[in-house]
Amino acid sequence: GQNIDQPTEMTATEGAIVQINCTYQTSGFNGLFWYQQHAGEAPTFLSYNVLDGLEEKGRFSSFLSRSKGYSYLLLKELQMKDSASYLCAFLDSNYQLIWGAGTKLIIKP
Amino acid sequence: GAVVSQHPSRVICKSGTSVKIECRSLDFQATTMFWYRQFPKKSLMLMATSNEGSKATYEQGVEKDKFLINHASLTLSTLTVTSAHPEDSSFYICSARIAEYNEQFFGPGTRLTVL
Repeated sequence: GQNIDQPTEMTATEGAIVQINCTYQTSGFNGLFWYQQHAGEAPTFLSYNVLDGLEEKGRFSSFLSRSKGYSYLLLKELQMKDSASYLCAFLDSNYQLIWGAGTKLIIKP
Repeated sequence: GAVVSQHPSRVICKSGTSVKIECRSLDFQATTMFWYRQFPKKSLMLMATSNEGSKATYEQGVEKDKFLINHASLTLSTLTVTSAHPEDSSFYICSARIAEYNEQFFGPGTRLTVL
């Protein structure tokens, strides 16, 4: 079967670093995505990992370990505007996105 | 980057009426378009996948006669919610994929409220 799991909610402080974890199980895998979604808006693309390792893009980094079925999104120098839901999703063998339920990130001053 | 538009962004209608939502890829040709529904504080739920010129593939539990999808061209897909009821009130989001890329590009979403 397929499943994907991420924490429901996390809280962090402005200026700090936060890591949002995502674990998944699937027989077919074609990469993992992270999207950001602000309330009432559509998701926007953050990152795509298909190989193991860390991909850094400004304040955001994404890590993937295929053998462990594990990914994380690392957000540095948190800003209030980073308050949003962060969705992880993997691409299965049919190139269909399988979505996690999202992690609501709350940033406090 | 690839841009996907949706129209309308917000619609309020009476129960029993039909509502059409358009999804357009503005600067690329989308071989595949996806329609999602999202209820408050819930994850995206894939409703159907459509390829240009062929019938849409609906996910289990999604009524194809109620949610009519037409993908007439490589830049336009439409979702028609027929005989809408209050329980159909939701945030509907389309996304589009270019054949050679795995990323999906999302439209801004349409908030449907059925009174």
